[in-house]
Amino acid sequence: EAQVTQNPRYLITVTGKKLTVTCSQNMNHEYMSWYRQDPGLGLRQIYYSMNVEVTDKGDVPEGYKVSRKEKRNFPLILESPSPNQTSLYFCASSRRQSSYEQYFGPGTRLTVT
Amino acid sequence: RKEVEQDPGPFNVPEGATVAFNCTYSNSASQSFFWYRQDCRKEPKLLMSVYSSGNEDGRFTAQLNRASQYISLLIRDSKLSDSATYLCVVSLFGNEKLTFGTGTRLTIIP
Repeated sequence: EAQVTQNPRYLITVTGKKLTVTCSQNMNHEYMSWYRQDPGLGLRQIYYSMNVEVTDKGDVPEGYKVSRKEKRNFPLILESPSPNQTSLYFCASSRRQSSYEQYFGPGTRLTVT
Repeated sequence: RKEVEQDPGPFNVPEGATVAFNCTYSNSASQSFFWYRQDCRKEPKLLMSVYSSGNEDGRFTAQLNRASQYISLLIRDSKLSDSATYLCVVSLFGNEKLTFGTGTRLTIIP
């Protein structure tokens, strides 16, 4: 089944404790992206990747890191999480030629206390 | 001014009715337009693209008005399963970046 998976789905952590949210897709998509969704602000792009070893900042990259060592994986790293990073996070992937049709993962709800 | 603006709703509409909502965008250079659907606590999914000539898919019709910089979504004969948040999405030509609106929440009432 074609899908984007994220882990964990729910995470409660404390300020400053490094964490990684994994994202994996099995559709051989070139393009992958991370978004956060907050009430009243909608989906905002954090980072994106056009292909392996190619990443770039989105609209709200501060406090986040990403890497793309393999085509299928695109982990999101929070080196020192803060309460303002409490949010719903979505990973998405698409073919480069049709990046408008993004396939989203199920989301990761992160709470930083 | 936000790049993409939508009325957040909620719109509570009886089953079988026709409902329409608009979305405005600020960047006149925007070239591609889409509607995504997001069910409660689920991930967004592409509903349909919006072409200059309009686009119809079953009960759903999407239209673009470049002069006034808005796109619309019309749902005819609404079903309970249409209850969701509808996200307006815009991108520049040749740009993979999508800009999402905050969404319009629709509830279909039996």
